[in-house]
Amino acid sequence: SAVISQKPSRDICQRGTSLTIQCQVDSQVTMMFWYRQQPGQSLTLIATANQGSEATYESGFVIDKFPISRPNLTFSTLTVSNMSPEDSSIYLCSVEGQRGEKLFFGSGTQLSVL
Amino acid sequence: GQQVMQIPQYQHVQEGEDFTTYCNSSTTLSNIQWYKQRPGGHPVFLIQLVKSGEVKKQKRLTFQFGEAKKNSSLHITATQTTDVGTYFCAGLTGANNLFFGTGTRLTVIP
Repeated sequence: SAVISQKPSRDICQRGTSLTIQCQVDSQVTMMFWYRQQPGQSLTLIATANQGSEATYESGFVIDKFPISRPNLTFSTLTVSNMSPEDSSIYLCSVEGQRGEKLFFGSGTQLSVL
Repeated sequence: GQQVMQIPQYQHVQEGEDFTTYCNSSTTLSNIQWYKQRPGGHPVFLIQLVKSGEVKKQKRLTFQFGEAKKNSSLHITATQTTDVGTYFCAGLTGANNLFFGTGTRLTVIP
């Protein structure tokens, strides 16, 4: 199983500012995924971070709002830009298992925007 | 678009009672996965079902995949307080997209 370190675990931010979330995996993985989980809701995929190429964003999410970096096969960042209270959520990074059959999740970042 | 619905949204049971959550997809799935998220925690993979009509058991948990590969269920026998959390199904489509269900939040009353 993959061990994923995600930080910060939580933050309280002011409207209009940006927050960068980091995700470190203990092994090399081809794809890393970023999810959002709004309070009491399910998980929604924001984007897939691929090493060496631009991230692939899902419908409703754009690069200007959620820029992603993937400098190598063990690390990725997600930035939540120009935040508003509607961005208050848990953000989770995840990776696939070795055979691609399941997801491992980081511990999540609980973001509150005032 | 693709939707994966779960019912019920919430379930409160007395410890020792059984619990079942149902997952329904609007389209046929390649596989179905189940995850458990404890309060304040992150989702943890439980199991994956691939074959039509497949049934798998993990101790008190029984997972089923429907014949049409569009629905699934998770049944917990004799719930314990450690079973508390939100259970999510996640369906993998033929296009290799994973859609999480709406989740069922289980509360177990001691």
